[in-house]
Amino acid sequence: GEDVEQSLFLSVREGDSSVINCTYTDSSSTYLYWYKQEPGAGLQLLTYIFSNMDMKQDQRLTVLLNKKDKHLSLRIADTQTGDSAIYFCAERRTDRGSTLGRLYFGRGTQLTVWP
Amino acid sequence: DVKVTQSSRYLVKRTGEKVFLECVQDMDHENMFWYRQDPGLGLRLIYFSYDVKMKEKGDIPEGYSVSREKKERFSLILESASTNQTSMYLCASSYRGGQPQHFGDGTRLSIL
Repeated sequence: GEDVEQSLFLSVREGDSSVINCTYTDSSSTYLYWYKQEPGAGLQLLTYIFSNMDMKQDQRLTVLLNKKDKHLSLRIADTQTGDSAIYFCAERRTDRGSTLGRLYFGRGTQLTVWP
Repeated sequence: DVKVTQSSRYLVKRTGEKVFLECVQDMDHENMFWYRQDPGLGLRLIYFSYDVKMKEKGDIPEGYSVSREKKERFSLILESASTNQTSMYLCASSYRGGQPQHFGDGTRLSIL
């Protein structure tokens, strides 16, 4: 099937804002997610947004959703060295012929924060 | 907090062995998932289960099988391990519908 697309790398200076972008595939996807993965660990849910919203804010995190362009972004304000990790976006969609929704993940964006 | 526990963080097995990876969740989730993660390929879904004794193939089920005899436990089985199954394996669980998946810490499996 079609892929969820993310850029592979992003580097920012400590204290700056980071913006990680994602393009998903299905305009009828109901939920969109951001996960964080630190080295050697599993995926940690950061935040998610329902498709009837266009923005969600949670402390330093802001998610923006543009359904027309099927574009999702994650903004991290005041980025810290501890934010260095791989960030995955995922969409929940139901494949044709199935009644079960499942997640489709992008390949992840490696965020590096320089002190 | 949701807890998804994978039985081993690191595992080394030999080619041809039958390998069992175990996953247990403590939140009474209906859905459970097995993924493998490889550099440059992201996460790929192997199998998932939406109820006890039910299973669905994901994108790369070949060479794997699963078992879900109890709601809290989902096992991934490598019937005859091969070197191309060396990978990081991630288990996840969720409630029905669009509720988020919660992941375990992963099992890094090496097949020699």
